[in-house]
Amino acid sequence: AAGVIQSPRHLIKEKRETATLKCYPIPRHDTVYWYQQGPGQDPQFLISFYEKMQSDKGSIPDRFSAQQFSDYHSELNMSSLELGDSALYFCASSWTGANTEAFFGQGTRLTVV
Amino acid sequence: QKEVEQNSGPLSVPEGAIASLNCTYSDRVSQSFFWYRQYSGKSPELIMSIYSNGDKEDGRFTAQLNKASQYVSLLIRDSQPSDSATYLCAVRAANDYKLSFGAGTTVTVRA
Repeated sequence: AAGVIQSPRHLIKEKRETATLKCYPIPRHDTVYWYQQGPGQDPQFLISFYEKMQSDKGSIPDRFSAQQFSDYHSELNMSSLELGDSALYFCASSWTGANTEAFFGQGTRLTVV
Repeated sequence: QKEVEQNSGPLSVPEGAIASLNCTYSDRVSQSFFWYRQYSGKSPELIMSIYSNGDKEDGRFTAQLNKASQYVSLLIRDSQPSDSATYLCAVRAANDYKLSFGAGTTVTVRA
């Protein structure tokens, strides 16, 4: 079965550079979630989209923005990168609705040097 | 205080034993409850979902939910070395578009 696809898998950027992470949800899933996970930490919710509209917002820095496109893929744009942005970034997708399961992509490991 | 609290680890169990993981949540409108398994450096993998009070069994895994006590647990029977991982409890409220995670419990199964 098709899973959530994230690209790139690994990314190395310098401080103050920009990065774009992409997420392709499971076909027919209409909700996308973005999470950031630092070493030894639990996933921290950044932002989610339902039907191409922002549906919820968590601890996403103002330097980050995200959107969901007409084909339901989503992109997380990160500017003015800082060393502390180094983390695993996960995307998950689900159907919307009361009792639906969310599945995670393999993640993008971002290293800021 | 975190919305979702898990029993502190790490939890070490011998092979073949039962591993018991606990999770409490603070938001009474929480509706959906999940257990994810995460190996180091990998993404969370959904292993159980539970939506109504009681037990739900899937192979060697049993999830238990008690909404009155705002408590959800996961039992792993006949623990195997491959079960060694961090287990994340996740909760979603009704009409909510995010999963809230606990800090995770690291389980080590000793061969």
